[in-house]
Amino acid sequence: GQQVMQIPQYQHVQEGEDFTTYCNSSTTLSNIQWYKQRPGGHPVFLIQLVKSGEVKKQKRLTFQFGEAKKNSSLHITATQTTDVGTYFCAGLLSGTYKYIFGTGTRLKVLA
Amino acid sequence: DAGVIQSPRHEVTEMGQEVTLRCKPISGHDYLFWYRQTMMRGLELLIYFNNNVPIDDSGMPEDRFSAKMPNASFSTLKIQPSEPRDSAVYFCASSSDWDRVSAKNIQYFGAGTRLSVL
Repeated sequence: GQQVMQIPQYQHVQEGEDFTTYCNSSTTLSNIQWYKQRPGGHPVFLIQLVKSGEVKKQKRLTFQFGEAKKNSSLHITATQTTDVGTYFCAGLLSGTYKYIFGTGTRLKVLA
Repeated sequence: DAGVIQSPRHEVTEMGQEVTLRCKPISGHDYLFWYRQTMMRGLELLIYFNNNVPIDDSGMPEDRFSAKMPNASFSTLKIQPSEPRDSAVYFCASSSDWDRVSAKNIQYFGAGTRLSVL
């Protein structure tokens, strides 16, 4: 079946260091969303990318959608302790109304 | 709006018992989703509804699981009989509409129900 993989599975960084998580789909996606889940919490929407090669920024967060619309990345510049959590990508399968969530990257920021 | 409301927040039950999880979506949202989250399998879509009608239930693990949406403001996910491997956090989410390019398909998640089957 369709899969959306994320790497790395875990990442520990020192506060102030950068962080990147990568999302790869086995099939072409109509769009991709990113969510953040704090420990013990629920997923919260961050952003949606639609166009091939699209790049969006939210303060220290930069999101990118690949040219082939099969991969995406989230980059955080100068991490802070508030960035702790698990980051999920969710890809919309072409021709469907179904989002497939990635496996998630758990980020820990050491002060 | 209070957001997506799920109940109970925690449920502990014994194997073989029936479990019913409840969800109230955000008012005006036409889509409702049930997800299951475990360490091993991540966040899995079980079923989703559009205007109270089940559209895709291909993620429902087996016949022990059933979901209903009798009206626009209420949905249930039932497990009968429950088994220890059903232990997970179950999330309900809703979205206002479905448009590939707009913000209408943002999914708003409830706080989840943590289910433990002993």
